[in-house]
Amino acid sequence: GAGVSQTPSNKVTEKGKYVELRCDPISGHTALYWYRQSLGQGPEFLIYFQGTGAADDSGLPNDRFFAVRPEGSVSTLKIQRTERGDSAVYLCASSNTAQETQYFGPGTRLLVL
Amino acid sequence: AQSVTQPDIHITVSEGASLELRCNYSYGATPYLFWYVQSPGQGLQLLLKYFSGDTLVQGIKGFEAEFKRSQSSFNLRKPSVHWSDAAEYFCAVALLSGGSYIPTFGRGTSLIVHP
Repeated sequence: GAGVSQTPSNKVTEKGKYVELRCDPISGHTALYWYRQSLGQGPEFLIYFQGTGAADDSGLPNDRFFAVRPEGSVSTLKIQRTERGDSAVYLCASSNTAQETQYFGPGTRLLVL
Repeated sequence: AQSVTQPDIHITVSEGASLELRCNYSYGATPYLFWYVQSPGQGLQLLLKYFSGDTLVQGIKGFEAEFKRSQSSFNLRKPSVHWSDAAEYFCAVALLSGGSYIPTFGRGTSLIVHP
């Protein structure tokens, strides 16, 4: 079956702009996770959804970052007033239940100029 | 807070040789430990995980890892490396938070395989 998909695969934006990154999880997976991976680093946890609600958003770096999952399936990560330091690969993962294996998407590479 | 150290940024091995990638963690309680692999253009894939029980864990693609509490280590091994194993490998330690295991990743070890 289809894996986790993320769109766009690449996004270039200018400092100060607003961006939205989309994640389509594996069908039926109730848990969804967002991570950020900077160059030369491991992924860093941002937020985790169980169904429609954010169960843990402790990794969001500041209030410019926000994520939603209104129908418990697709999720959107929103970044306001982007900064050059936001440049990274944003990874999404989903799992059948919250304690099962996470399956990762290919990521969205964000470049803020 | 938990942390993970992967002391080797790059490891180079010849095809057919054995492999050991090092991972040390810092965490007060019994950790949940993972190894992931990331190939170019592909998403992270779980190789294996340790939650409890037998300290030698078997994973996919012929990999295994051994949990050593006394050394706070969870090293990844493979007896014979294939060229297709060239990738980035990440060790992670997880806390149970909000009902899920939220991993903290190491910075990764890049595996280079010579023919």
